[in-house]
Amino acid sequence: AQRVTQPEKLLSVFKGAPVELKCNYSYSGSPELFWYVQYSRQRLQLLLRHISRESIKGFTADLNKGETSFHLKKPFAQEEDSAMYYCALSSGGSNYKLTFGKGTLLTVNP
Amino acid sequence: GAVVSQHPSWVICKSGTSVKIECRSLDFQATTMFWYRQFPKQSLMLMATSNEGSKATYEQGVEKDKFLINHASLTLSTLTVTSAHPEDSSFYICSAVRDRVDGYTFGSGTRLTVV
Repeated sequence: AQRVTQPEKLLSVFKGAPVELKCNYSYSGSPELFWYVQYSRQRLQLLLRHISRESIKGFTADLNKGETSFHLKKPFAQEEDSAMYYCALSSGGSNYKLTFGKGTLLTVNP
Repeated sequence: GAVVSQHPSWVICKSGTSVKIECRSLDFQATTMFWYRQFPKQSLMLMATSNEGSKATYEQGVEKDKFLINHASLTLSTLTVTSAHPEDSSFYICSAVRDRVDGYTFGSGTRLTVV
């Protein structure tokens, strides 16, 4: 069974501070990992996927298979980063099912 | 980019009635769509996988007779909540997959309130 754990429900930082949203996963095969973001009153949007290895809005995430983690990081948080962040896992192959973590609400204070 | 339209965005219905929610892929063909349910301040729970031209695959614990899914075309999947009860009140979200490169695109969700 696949499982995604986001240990922090809430995370509050000040503008300009570094931020790290934690994500750990449990899956026996080779998963695909994603970060989705949901801004207030907006739909879920893809932020990052590990296979693309790109930086979006200053966020990066590295898949660490040894620690089964896919933490999301940004060196300098901005107020507009305040949102709900979901880590998600897909088992890949022909199965597109996504399993979501419970989400972390990030608040960036001025 | 890929766009998924979900309608209605909110609906209030009386207990015992049925409600249909539509999910359309506007600029691509989606062979697979997913329906999620989100409780307040909780994560998205996958309800079912909808494949065009075949029966939906339901997750464990989801009543297939209560949550009817139809995926009759490559651009439309519908979720019908039958004989709705107050405990069915929730936020329902669909997502569609175009291909593995583009990944998943989400609808804006439907807030269902059963009174």
